Amino acid sequence: GAGVSQSPSNKVTEKGKDVELRCDPISGHTALYWYRQSLGQGLEFLIYFQGNSAPDKSGLPSDRFSAERTGGSVSTLTIQRTQQEDSAVYLCASSLQGGGTEAFFGQGTRLTVV
Amino acid sequence: QQQVKQSPQSLIVQKGGISIINCAYENTAFDYFPWYQQFPGKGPALLIAIRPDVSEKKEGRFTISFNKSAKQFSLHIMDSQPGDSATYFCAASRDTGRRALTFGSGTRLQVQP
Repeated sequence: GAGVSQSPSNKVTEKGKDVELRCDPISGHTALYWYRQSLGQGLEFLIYFQGNSAPDKSGLPSDRFSAERTGGSVSTLTIQRTQQEDSAVYLCASSLQGGGTEAFFGQGTRLTVV
Repeated sequence: QQQVKQSPQSLIVQKGGISIINCAYENTAFDYFPWYQQFPGKGPALLIAIRPDVSEKKEGRFTISFNKSAKQFSLHIMDSQPGDSATYFCAASRDTGRRALTFGSGTRLQVQP
């Protein structure tokens, strides 16, 4: 594909509902990242997938957050029982090999919990 | 050990001036130091990157200066233009082990015409 694709671009959900955010990385990229960006803030690391290795989940803020990457390609970030503080832009990025290779970001999913 | 500290939080520069953003890191295992530029409503995009085997890298108006002993690196934007107004993030990562990019907190740059 031309770039990293995220869907939906916007999501409004009620507090307590579960949401799924999707990321389609660039074909052939073995590394995939999820970050969270609150309004006007920095990039908060959530989770990192590298090839077939166990994902680095050290940034997930609570057990309500989980992510998977199927077949080394598409990734889904799931937030259960959403809270208002989960409102943010969720950014996905992929890179050829992780580490010292360029990360390409998607446009993000803006999540609003009401 | 995973933190990257960035300053200033915001910066206002006149057109034609020099913009300087600084970052410091703690983890000596980091060996890749990129800078990302983000415009409102867009995802960050790689601007320029450096590895610790060189002290400076220049691409057009953008220069990274790297001080390995001080564990600091900085971005210099020469002849700053209004189109450079954006948020800039420094980052660091390793080539082995935990390879996720760790980002600084960002600097909002405004270049006044």
